[in-house]
Formats: sequence, structure tokens, C-alpha cells
Amino acid sequence: DAKTTQPTSMDCAEGRAANLPCNHSTISGNEYVYWYRQIHSQGPQYIIHGLKNNETNEMASLIITEDRKSSTLILPHATLRDTAVYYCIVKGGGSNYKLTFGKGTLLTVNP
Amino acid sequence: GAVVSQHPSWVICKSGTSVKIECRSLDFQATTMFWYRQFPKQSLMLMATSNEGSKATYEQGVEKDKFLINHASLTLSTLTVTSAHPEDSSFYICSARGRANTEAFFGQGTRLTVV
Repeated sequence: DAKTTQPTSMDCAEGRAANLPCNHSTISGNEYVYWYRQIHSQGPQYIIHGLKNNETNEMASLIITEDRKSSTLILPHATLRDTAVYYCIVKGGGSNYKLTFGKGTLLTVNP
Repeated sequence: GAVVSQHPSWVICKSGTSVKIECRSLDFQATTMFWYRQFPKQSLMLMATSNEGSKATYEQGVEKDKFLINHASLTLSTLTVTSAHPEDSSFYICSARGRANTEAFFGQGTRLTVV
């Protein structure tokens, strides 16, 4: 699975949009981009995933560049409860469903 | 999303004893379950992958005789930490995916403390 690079930490004001970047320049054609987050002392929570097209659900939007070498997770109106470590993971769509977690981005939403 | 329940949420045990952690998929059939371990201030590390009815596949460096995994049904997997030692103290997390899912869903984790 391709390696990802994320900033170590980010801050965001409550009510503003949080834009979390992820670089995955070695991604291959059949690999998906997944985003999970982990609130302190809890298990990770699935957020969203995509292959080529931008995706949106009730939690977030995922913007993938045309060359697929990077993506951005957008939380449109961050709340204090969105403070968590956000993991960007690239994974093939075949039978290997193992998720390899990097260090992620600690997003702190400030009042 | 789908619900995965892990039990217990926390456990304290004496050194040398064994501890069993359960992971259940509540609203879907989990064809594959994963067990992770997370030490403080570190990321999740995959320990093993189990498919229902098959033996678990362990990651390099994980002792299969110490961390016993059973995936006897499509809704239940168990991790038994045998002869636990203080260095086994960690946050253990399971995840599960169903046949129709590409994403995996996680339990809430189990905090194991060995004294």
C-alpha cells in the first residue's frame, strides 16, 4: 500500500471549516484513499473513502486531486467534538483489507 | 455505519494470568476481523487478521501462542492474552468488515493493565 504524509498537528476555530491535507504521491490506480479519526482513548471511527471522484457524506467531504497524488478531508463546520487524530490511509481494493496506520494529524478545535 | 462492540472496555489483571477480550459485530456479518494494539502516544499496530472459520494470520513479531485469536462465528472474535506481563499493558482494538464493505469498523477498544 502506498505511503501517506500528513502534518503532525493542526488547529481550527470552532465553527470554521477544517481542511486536513494528505500526500500520497505513490498511489497506484486501484488504491483507495480512506480517512479515519480517533478521539482520545476510543477506537478509530470511519469517516469517508474515495477512489477518484470527490466524495461527501454527513460527516465530511473528500477532495482528491486529478492526479490522485494528494487529497484533502474537509470538515465543513468543526466542533469541539471533532478534536481527534485523523488518519489518511491508502489501501488497495483487492483482498488485502488490512489498514496500516501512520501517525496521523492531531486536529485541535479551539473555542 | 456498522456497529462493532468490544468487551470489556478495561481490565486489570495480575501478571501471569490470562485475559480474554471479545469483539462482536452487532448488525452485520464480519467475514474478516482485525486486532490492533496501541501503546501510549503511538499509532495502531496490526497484530493479526482472522477470517471466520480459519486460523488467524499474525503480523511479524506477534507471538501467536501468546495472543490467541478465535473467530468462530461471523459475529464474534476473541483475543486471549495468555500469561500476561506488565509489558502487555496496552490498548487493544478490534475491527471488522463484512462481505459487502470495503471499509472496516472499529470497536471502542479495551484498556489492559497488567500489574
